[in-house]
Amino acid sequence: DTGVSQNPRHKITKRGQNVTFRCDPISEHNRLYWYRQTLGQGPEFLTYFQNEAQLEKSRLLSDRFSAERPKGSFSTLEIQRTEQGDSAMYLCASSLRPGSTEAFFGQGTRLTVV
Amino acid sequence: GQQVMQIPQYQHVQEGEDFTTYCNSSTTLSNIQWYKQRPGGHPVFLIQLVKSGEVKKQKRLTFQFGEAKKNSSLHITATQTTDVGTYFCAEVNYGGSQGNLIFGKGTKLSVKP
Repeated sequence: DTGVSQNPRHKITKRGQNVTFRCDPISEHNRLYWYRQTLGQGPEFLTYFQNEAQLEKSRLLSDRFSAERPKGSFSTLEIQRTEQGDSAMYLCASSLRPGSTEAFFGQGTRLTVV
Repeated sequence: GQQVMQIPQYQHVQEGEDFTTYCNSSTTLSNIQWYKQRPGGHPVFLIQLVKSGEVKKQKRLTFQFGEAKKNSSLHITATQTTDVGTYFCAEVNYGGSQGNLIFGKGTKLSVKP
């Protein structure tokens, strides 16, 4: 499978716990994006990597959120001290060039904070 | 800031009827992309429109970009049950992150067989 891969697919955690999600983009794509999607809404941009460099972070990304992309390959998104409001689908997307080609989305990680 | 408004929010049609969703922006768009998200699935790219007045067709789907590049539409002729899902327009944000997408809220299409 050469698409964007995300795991886990589902995560249920207790409020206050830390969680980490992983995204493996399409191998030749140097641009990687994280989005968050809540019910009835479109995906909202969180952060962006070009290779290993994190070049942009949305104001939606509070201090409890951190993302990395070591060696410009896979990426991780960590949420510390989870809150119920963090419950959402976290989507990863990769692309070859900025906005001139399609973004390929992974199937997402659905986080439920109880 | 940049924002795309999409209408309607929901559309219920009988199989065989046509369907149209509209995307509007208060600012001129550099380009617009359309995505489809099946229930329980992830967004899948459909098309990108770049030129003023551009019209593109994919089988029963017709995509249009307005002359002023402030609006776009997706029209489906003779809907089928396989068309069920949420259709999103998205503008490309060149202002900051060099290419992240700003999505509308989507139009959720249901098709009654």
